[in-house]
Amino acid sequence: EVQLVESGGGLVQPGGSLRLSCAASGFTFNTYWMTWVRQAPGKGLEWVANMKHDGSETHCVDSVKGRFTISRDNAKNSLYLQMNSLRAEDTAVYYCAKDAGNYRYFDYWGQGTLVTVSS
Amino acid sequence: DIQMTQSPSTLSASVGDRVTITCRASQSISSWLAWYQRKPGKAPKLLIYKASSLESGVPSRFSGSGSGTEFTLTISSLQPDDFATYYCQQYHSYPLTFGGGTKVEIK
Repeated sequence: EVQLVESGGGLVQPGGSLRLSCAASGFTFNTYWMTWVRQAPGKGLEWVANMKHDGSETHCVDSVKGRFTISRDNAKNSLYLQMNSLRAEDTAVYYCAKDAGNYRYFDYWGQGTLVTVSS
Repeated sequence: DIQMTQSPSTLSASVGDRVTITCRASQSISSWLAWYQRKPGKAPKLLIYKASSLESGVPSRFSGSGSGTEFTLTISSLQPDDFATYYCQQYHSYPLTFGGGTKVEIK
């Protein structure tokens, strides 16, 4: 059974940093692209960043470029999101998602971890 | 960026109703579209990919159609478990983008 478990969320002040983790199990982690998606309170889903199975390619939304870094450790079946220079508008539930094979849609999602940026 | 516009934003319906949700892309995305169901406190669930392909395990009352810029998700006979928010997502090009969501409420 595929499982994705996010952790690392919490309350952080504007300008602060946080590192999210996603522990994956139930599939061959090192053969799939992985993705972070977020949902701000009362808003819709927003794709944040993704990474190729071998870490050789990444993409992210413009609003987080230069501030967020996606990474993975295939030996630990884990995906990460390092978030720096956090802003109030980064407040959201962050989901880890598994890409479905060769295409950039998502067949499994975690339960999410809440990040609150506030003073 | 490709903008995805869903309509309606809220839909009130009764059990047994046929429900249709529309998703429009700001430019052609061929058939590179997925639909998800989202319930409060639960992870989003993939329903449809490549515009019309039903994900394994998803009930056949769900169907998707369309190509280019206009797409629909249809629930042929709404069930109590289907009251949720539905999102479309294009995966034609980066940045990947979602529609704003359609909340299906009990009438």
